Amino acid sequence: GAGVSQSPSNKVTEKGKDVELRCDPISGHTALYWYRQRLGQGLEFLIYFQGNSAPDKSGLPSDRFSAERTGESVSTLTIQRTQQEDSAVYLCASSLAGSLLETQYFGPGTRLLVL
Amino acid sequence: KQEVTQIPAALSVPEGENLVLNCSFTDSAIYNLQWFRQDPGKGLTSLLLIQSSQREQTSGRLNASLDKSSGRSTLYIAASQPGDSATYLCAVRPGRDDKIIFGKGTRLHILP
Repeated sequence: GAGVSQSPSNKVTEKGKDVELRCDPISGHTALYWYRQRLGQGLEFLIYFQGNSAPDKSGLPSDRFSAERTGESVSTLTIQRTQQEDSAVYLCASSLAGSLLETQYFGPGTRLLVL
Repeated sequence: KQEVTQIPAALSVPEGENLVLNCSFTDSAIYNLQWFRQDPGKGLTSLLLIQSSQREQTSGRLNASLDKSSGRSTLYIAASQPGDSATYLCAVRPGRDDKIIFGKGTRLHILP
């Protein structure tokens, strides 16, 4: 594909429900990142996948957040028992080899609203 | 703890003007610094990445400088165009294995 894609583009849910966000990275990119951007705030790193290595989960805000990645393809970010403070734009990015010298390519984001 | 600050939060300038966006970080020991552009509905686009050993990077009308000792980076945009209107984000990687830390961005509006 031409770039990183994310779905859904928008999601409205009720407090307490679970949501699943999807990210399709650029084909061939081994590194995948999830970020969150709350209204008026900067981007927050959530989790990083690199090949078959154990993911870096240091940014996950609570145990309600989890993410999976199948091989070097699709990733899903799951938020269980959503809270209003989870409302944010969730951004996914990928890079070719995960080198810190590389540029990350971002998807359009999923805008999550928890009522 | 590394913190990234961007000033101003918002900026409006007439088309054609040259402008400078500022980014400051509290810990001068960084691995690299990156400037992004954020357009609504399109996610982020990486503009320039500066390694800690570099002092500047250029791409087209954009020039980014890095002064680690003073904890500052600037993004210079020459001959601004309405299409440059977007939010510009500065991001720092403190160390090789550290996560990226973003500033809150500068919302730029170029007036036609």
